[in-house]
Amino acid sequence: AQSVTQPDIHITVSEGASLELRCNYSYGATPYLFWYVQSPGQGLQLLLKYFSGDTLVQGIKGFEAEFKRSQSSFNLRKPSVHWSDAAEYFCAVGKSSNTGNQFYFGTGTSLTVIP
Amino acid sequence: EAQVTQNPRYLITVTGKKLTVTCSQNMNHEYMSWYRQDPGLGLRQIYYSMNVEVTDKGDVPEGYKVSRKEKRNFPLILESPSPNQTSLYFCASRTGGKQYFGPGTRLTVT
Repeated sequence: AQSVTQPDIHITVSEGASLELRCNYSYGATPYLFWYVQSPGQGLQLLLKYFSGDTLVQGIKGFEAEFKRSQSSFNLRKPSVHWSDAAEYFCAVGKSSNTGNQFYFGTGTSLTVIP
Repeated sequence: EAQVTQNPRYLITVTGKKLTVTCSQNMNHEYMSWYRQDPGLGLRQIYYSMNVEVTDKGDVPEGYKVSRKEKRNFPLILESPSPNQTSLYFCASRTGGKQYFGPGTRLTVT
């Protein structure tokens, strides 16, 4: 069975500090990997995705993520956090099937940014 | 403006009363999907559709039905809602690797 684990339920960082959100997945084949952000009362917005190729992917809002197959991880990073980054972050895995794509989301990491 | 719309945005209903949540996208996407979001559980996929008349179960399809008669619409049907279906529901459409999510429908079943 496929699963996505985000071990940190909540993280607090100071504005300007670096950030790393962890994501581990369990999937038997090459995964499609995603990070989404959800601001309060909003839908989800795609930050970045990995399908193949360069294992370091750049996304919007200054985020990047690195795919490490040996560790089954896809951690999200940002070198300097802004107060507007406070939100809920979800890692997701996409699986292809004959009838389309199933997506599995982690339980999310809530980010608080303090001045 | 490219968007996914859902209606209603908020709904309070009673156990057993059939309801439909509509979802529409104006981007001509072939793929559409429904998710529910519950605290501590993240998003879980209910149903998805690769194209008109092609639908398949996601992770948590029990108690839900969908139909895809037109490319732009993908309604979610709860034939006999129960309190454990109280949740926040998101519709999404996808092109390539990017999913576009609707604003969400908060459903309460009493």
